[in-house]
Amino acid sequence: GDSVTQMEGPVTLSEEAFLTINCTYTATGYPSLFWYVQYPGEGLQLLLKATKADDKGSNKGFEATYRKETTSFHLEKGSVQVSDSAVYFCALLNSGGYQKVTFGIGTKLQVIP
Amino acid sequence: DGGITQSPKYLFRKEGQNVTLSCEQNLNHDAMYWYRQDPGQGLRLIYYSQIVNDFQKGDIAEGYSVSREKKESFPLTVTSAQKNPTAFYLCASRSPRAGPGTEAFFGQGTRLTVV
Repeated sequence: GDSVTQMEGPVTLSEEAFLTINCTYTATGYPSLFWYVQYPGEGLQLLLKATKADDKGSNKGFEATYRKETTSFHLEKGSVQVSDSAVYFCALLNSGGYQKVTFGIGTKLQVIP
Repeated sequence: DGGITQSPKYLFRKEGQNVTLSCEQNLNHDAMYWYRQDPGQGLRLIYYSQIVNDFQKGDIAEGYSVSREKKESFPLTVTSAQKNPTAFYLCASRSPRAGPGTEAFFGQGTRLTVV
């Protein structure tokens, strides 16, 4: 079945550091890929998405590129802020008849001043 | 405002009791989902529904039941057969008709504690 693999963390960075959170996936067909963010005690919010190979999703300084050859969708940000502290989830939506969203385990990011 | 409403935010139940978690959406979305979130395990799919009166088991359906009698509503019942029900439950919806790759929208979650 479909699966998403990402580092659990926590990842601790100083403010203005470069962020990379790795995400790889296993899926048949042509899935769509997402990054969601979750703040404490809340639901998930979409951060960015990509629906086909070589697409780049971007939002609020975060970027991720859909790499079919390496089955990856790594999240990057050039300069993190304290307000970026949250849990980040990589996810995929399968392209089959019954569509469901499969999530990774989430990576907790803590940014310190 | 359009969105997904989960209620209540916190729920306490005694062991052995069934409990129903509410999820309502006014986004006119066809598909709805229930996930369970536990520390270190991410989100695991319990049930999902692509259309009214139809639903499918997810990866961890045992001990749970759902119904989808209305497009707007997808309640989840946690039965006494669920061995470890204490968790954070998230409901989501999406609109497959909006095109491929349409994202899911999430409610704020219900934290269920069974004592």
